[in-house]
Amino acid sequence: AQSVTQLDSQVPVFEEAPVELRCNYSSSVSVYLFWYVQYPNQGLQLLLKYLSGSTLVKGINGFEAEFNKSQTSFHLRKPSVHISDTAEYFCARSPTDKLIFGTGTRLQVFP
Amino acid sequence: DADVTQTPRNRITKTGKRIMLECSQTKGHDRMYWYRQDPGLGLRLIYYSFDVKDINKGEISDGYSVSRQAQAKFSLSLESAIPNQTALYFCATSTGSHQPQHFGDGTRLSIL
Repeated sequence: AQSVTQLDSQVPVFEEAPVELRCNYSSSVSVYLFWYVQYPNQGLQLLLKYLSGSTLVKGINGFEAEFNKSQTSFHLRKPSVHISDTAEYFCARSPTDKLIFGTGTRLQVFP
Repeated sequence: DADVTQTPRNRITKTGKRIMLECSQTKGHDRMYWYRQDPGLGLRLIYYSFDVKDINKGEISDGYSVSRQAQAKFSLSLESAIPNQTALYFCATSTGSHQPQHFGDGTRLSIL
């Protein structure tokens, strides 16, 4: 079955440090990948998407992700985090007409 | 105003009660989805609809039903609620295959 794996359930980091949130997907011919962010008491908001083309995808709030076909990964990165980046982050893929989500990574940014 | 609106935002009810969660959208999207979110499990798909006449079961449809009353409205029902249906429920919309989904702010449902 097609799946998405987020390897870290929690990532603590200090403000202004870089961060990487890891996501791996099960191999498939066609891959459509997304990162969503969920702030407390809110729904999910799209950060970025990979549908085709350049493997480096830039999103909102300074985040970017790199599609790596050989490693079946789509890791999310930010060079310098802010307190306001504290949230839960979900990686997802769209094999057909649905989204399959990973279990989420809680990013906690400390001052 | 929110593009995807869920009502109610919070609900506490008792085992055995019938519950309806409502979702309406102003985005004009044909596709609508219902998910539940549980800690450590991410989001799991309950039902989805591509138009008013097209309803499909998702990964965890048992114990739930849906109604697509119009393009803009998609409601989720729990016919006889049970405690393990306590969760955060999200409605989402999209324009088509492999496209991003747009989420409401969720309904927090507690069943005692």
